[in-house]
Amino acid sequence: DQQVKQNSPSLSVQEGRISILNCDYTNSMFDYFLWYKKYPAEGPTFLISISSIKDKNEDGRFTVFLNKSAKHLSLHIVPSQPGDSAVYFCAATDSWGKLQFGAGTQVVVTP
Amino acid sequence: DAGVIQSPRHEVTEMGQEVTLRCKPISGHDYLFWYRQTMMRGLELLIYFNNNVPIDDSGMPEDRFSAKMPNASFSTLKIQPSEPRDSAVYFCASSPNRGNQPQHFGDGTRLSIL
Repeated sequence: DQQVKQNSPSLSVQEGRISILNCDYTNSMFDYFLWYKKYPAEGPTFLISISSIKDKNEDGRFTVFLNKSAKHLSLHIVPSQPGDSAVYFCAATDSWGKLQFGAGTQVVVTP
Repeated sequence: DAGVIQSPRHEVTEMGQEVTLRCKPISGHDYLFWYRQTMMRGLELLIYFNNNVPIDDSGMPEDRFSAKMPNASFSTLKIQPSEPRDSAVYFCASSPNRGNQPQHFGDGTRLSIL
C-alpha cells in the first residue's frame, strides 16, 4: 500500500511565481519528512527536510510545511526558476530510517 | 567530496543472463540502501545494510535477487537469472546513520533485459 501520496503528477508554473507541491501520508509513525529533486538521468538529490516536532522549515527559496493532524506536507518554492524544472519526490520515514517515497510531481517552470 | 558511485550506468543484456550492479557509498556512511525505480511502482526500497550487515531485505522481489556488502566501500546487487520485468533504474544510496539524516543517491544504473 502506498503510504506516501503525491496526487498531482505534474505542475506548470511561470518563472518568478510560487510553486506549491503537496504530499499526503497515512502512517502516523512517520516522524521525519524529506523532499528530493530529480533531474533526468541523475539520482534524487536531497532538497529539504522537516522533523515531526516542527511545522515549518525554510531554506532559501524552499519552505516545507507540515500539518500533522491532516497528515499533509507541502513544499513551497518562491520564486520559481527555470532550473527548478525537475521531478520532486516527497519521502517519509519512521525511526527505523526506511524511506517511503511518493510517486513524484513533475514541475515545469515556464518563462 | 565524491558522492555515491554506481556502475555501470547502463546495462543491456539478454534474459537469463546474470547481472551485477555495483555501488561505492560515501566514505564514512554506515548505511547503504538499494532502490529500484519503475513506472508502475515508483521508487521502492529493496534492501539496506548497516555496517556491512543486511538489516532488511523484505523489499527484494525474488530469490533471483541478492545483495552483498563485503566491506564498507563496496556493495553489489546481483540478479540471476535476469528477466525482462527486471528492467528498471536501480539506485544505491548511503547515509551517515538511520533516522533523521538524508540519504545521498548515486546516479543509478539503467538496466534493460531483452
